[in-house]
Amino acid sequence: QKEVEQNSGPLSVPEGAIASLNCTYSDRGSQSFFWYRQYSGKSPELIMFIYSNGDKEDGRFTAQLNKASQYVSLLIRDSQPSDSATYLCAVLFSGGYNKLIFGAGTRLAVHP
Amino acid sequence: DAGITQSPRHKVTETGTPVTLRCHQTENHRYMYWYRQDPGHGLRLIHYSYGVKDTDKGEVSDGYSVSRSKTEDFLLTLESATSSQTSVYFCAISLGGGTHNEQFFGPGTRLTVL
Repeated sequence: QKEVEQNSGPLSVPEGAIASLNCTYSDRGSQSFFWYRQYSGKSPELIMFIYSNGDKEDGRFTAQLNKASQYVSLLIRDSQPSDSATYLCAVLFSGGYNKLIFGAGTRLAVHP
Repeated sequence: DAGITQSPRHKVTETGTPVTLRCHQTENHRYMYWYRQDPGHGLRLIHYSYGVKDTDKGEVSDGYSVSRSKTEDFLLTLESATSSQTSVYFCAISLGGGTHNEQFFGPGTRLTVL
């Protein structure tokens, strides 16, 4: 059973704080990991992808991957109310032939 | 939306009727996908295509069929709609295959089966 687990939230953080979103996955052979942001009533938007262990930074976003522990996280620095959305973690499982498995998402609420 | 359109954007239909959803892309990407999204389940893959006339099943394919006769169009058909198929349907494309499989989504179709 290929699984991607996320805490459903809501995760509530004050404006300006760091939001930390976590995701665990079941397949140790997975190679590629993606974070999507989805506003209510809209389609998912790709914001980060990571393929190697360690950190990857893009603006206020940092993705962290630890394959040994099978988790991937997304940090959002200087959180803004406009970051309030649901964040979806997606994993390309080994042998999956381009098939992503998505977590159910974590709802983030950034309050002024 | 990476040049992806979906039609219709909203549809209400009755149980037992056939329904076809269309996904259209303008940039000749090889890989196309159909997902459904339901509360508490995230996005689940229904079918995908890796080229014209080349399709395969995803994790929730029962009750759905697909066709891809042209690179730019990927059709999802519900042969006989049921209330359990009430959902939001998203089409996606990916820029490449293998491990670098960044997928980009269309605007979605909200389907209600009464």
